[in-house]
Amino acid sequence: EAGVTQFPSHSVIEKGQTVTLRCDPISGHDNLYWYRRVMGKEIKFLLHFVKESKQDESGMPNNRFLAERTGGTYSTLKVQPAELEDSGVYFCASSQDTSGGSFFGPGTRLTVL
Amino acid sequence: DQQVKQNSPSLSVQEGRISILNCDYTNSMFDYFLWYKKYPAEGPTFLISISSIKDKNEDGRFTVFLNKSAKHLSLHIVPSQPGDSAVYFCAASALSGGGADGLTFGKGTHLIIQP
Repeated sequence: EAGVTQFPSHSVIEKGQTVTLRCDPISGHDNLYWYRRVMGKEIKFLLHFVKESKQDESGMPNNRFLAERTGGTYSTLKVQPAELEDSGVYFCASSQDTSGGSFFGPGTRLTVL
Repeated sequence: DQQVKQNSPSLSVQEGRISILNCDYTNSMFDYFLWYKKYPAEGPTFLISISSIKDKNEDGRFTVFLNKSAKHLSLHIVPSQPGDSAVYFCAASALSGGGADGLTFGKGTHLIIQP
């Protein structure tokens, strides 16, 4: 069974540019989560999809971040325009239900210059 | 404010001995706790969890203890092996509601197993 995959693995962009991160969850997992780890800090929850619906987006930092999950399969997280403080590792995780541990992807390392 | 705290950034243990990683939390709504292990350049891997209705859960070499009155949990690894060297994250959630859907993580403890 394939795990959670994320693309790209690394992205280096300039301040003001747009970047789109992609996450493919484990097949059949309705729950999809986005997290972010900024250098030296803890991993922080961004939002939670159940199928294509946003269940909870309380962790999204501001309106420069837009997440979508059309069709309830893969998800994208767009940052527009990117700022320096957006640099960090963005993790995606998925699970069949909310009662257990989630499976994490390898993360996308975003560097904004 | 940090709701999940791992006060030891790093811990060094000799191979074969017991590793004890500690975690404290402040949010009394948390009712489910997890430990994740992370190697460099990889995502966190789920290790073991415990519900707030229990005070101990064991899985092979890994045991998690929960002290609800002290809002403290710990992960015991015995015996420690070189492959256990990684960063360990404590995480918590409020499955019965009262908080964000996702997990709240600590900053992690870097465990180093010395031969």
